[in-house]
Amino acid sequence: IAGITQAPTSQILAAGRRMTLRCTQDMRHNAMYWYRQDLGLGLRLIHYSNTAGTTGKGEVPDGYSVSRANTDDFPLTLASAVPSQTSVYFCASSDTGRALEQFFGPGTRLTVL
Amino acid sequence: KQEVTQIPAALSVPEGENLVLNCSFTDSAIYNLQWFRQDPGKGLTSLLLIQSSQREQTSGRLNASLDKSSGRSTLYIAASQPGDSATYLCAVIKAAGNKLTFGGGTRVLVKP
Repeated sequence: IAGITQAPTSQILAAGRRMTLRCTQDMRHNAMYWYRQDLGLGLRLIHYSNTAGTTGKGEVPDGYSVSRANTDDFPLTLASAVPSQTSVYFCASSDTGRALEQFFGPGTRLTVL
Repeated sequence: KQEVTQIPAALSVPEGENLVLNCSFTDSAIYNLQWFRQDPGKGLTSLLLIQSSQREQTSGRLNASLDKSSGRSTLYIAASQPGDSATYLCAVIKAAGNKLTFGGGTRVLVKP
């Protein structure tokens, strides 16, 4: 069982380019999340999805979009990357049952020049 | 707005000593609290989850306590080992939703 996979592992991107970070989980969890982690700012929620077909905004959604066409996949798109989006991005998932324990992917390190 | 604080930000102990990591939160209306471990350049690994109705959870050398009324949780790691060196993060989910609010983490170094 892989759990949560993210791709790419790392990427260097020119400012203004479009980029999609991929996230796939095989645990059949209903809820999925995207976080960014920055030194001194900790982990912050970008977008989330409680179930396939629905999405919601987190703490820092500007400049990002998500879609949830099915249970397993939750891609994060940067329409026009800016240097302030340089960060480590983590995808997570949880069952929306009793415990709500969240499980995280290995992360994508993104550098926008 | 929920705020989660972890003090100290860094901690260094000799091998074999017990570790005590602190987490405090400002809004006691939480659904659960989760402790994570993060190794450098890696993702987060879930260590323990305490539901709001529970006072503690144990897994091997790890024990986490929760005092909702005072807004505190403590993670105890018994007989620390160099392999315990990592950053430990706590996070809470508020009662009305499923979004985690994270503390800043405590970076632990266990010296052989």
